[in-house]
Amino acid sequence: DIQMTQSPSSLSASVGDSVTITCRASQSISSFLSWSQQKPGKAPKLLIYSASFLQSGVPSRFSGGGSGTDFTLTISRLQPEDFGTYYCQQTYSTPYTFGQGTKLELK
Amino acid sequence: QVQLQESGPGLVPPSQTLSLTCTVSGGSINAGSYFWSWIRQPAGKEPEWIGRIDTFMRSTKNPSLASRVAISADTSKNQVFLKLSSVTAADTAVYFCAREEANLGSAFGLWGQGARVTVSS
Repeated sequence: DIQMTQSPSSLSASVGDSVTITCRASQSISSFLSWSQQKPGKAPKLLIYSASFLQSGVPSRFSGGGSGTDFTLTISRLQPEDFGTYYCQQTYSTPYTFGQGTKLELK
Repeated sequence: QVQLQESGPGLVPPSQTLSLTCTVSGGSINAGSYFWSWIRQPAGKEPEWIGRIDTFMRSTKNPSLASRVAISADTSKNQVFLKLSSVTAADTAVYFCAREEANLGSAFGLWGQGARVTVSS
């Protein structure tokens, strides 16, 4: 299985800040990397697919980058609704696997 | 607008079989370049991909669960099914169905709200 490692595990930031979350794959996954946001009691919501493409309806303050094994999710100008848990996921090969999550909290 | 809805028992006794249904509304499970996946998430942990079925009714399973998992579908009812046998407390989780989309790099663009399943006597 391909292991996905996110960092940091948790992050505290203020409204208006910019933050970056990283995700590393245990082997190359080309650009088959997506980012999702999850709020308590809800399903994950897709933000970024194919490493850098913004899903329809997602604000442009979200951006993704990287390829191969190293990827980033950057959120600019944090808004109150951006707080939650973020997961990276690889869909390069089955079994698909997720990172352990990054919890973004309000400072 | 396509929507997914999971349903099934919320409590399953140990050693029994967990059975869940994902009902797809607003679109056909046969249409488009989609796979229909089951994903579970224990409380406080990351999601775990269980497996999927394609429009040709071929299933792919996570090897870690393959011996206990069956995924099927009924195109006439627009439903996808999950059966997980010989359950233990470790199978307690929220179970989601999700649509994998080829035009999104195989990302999961659509999720159901989830069904909470507890394994307990």
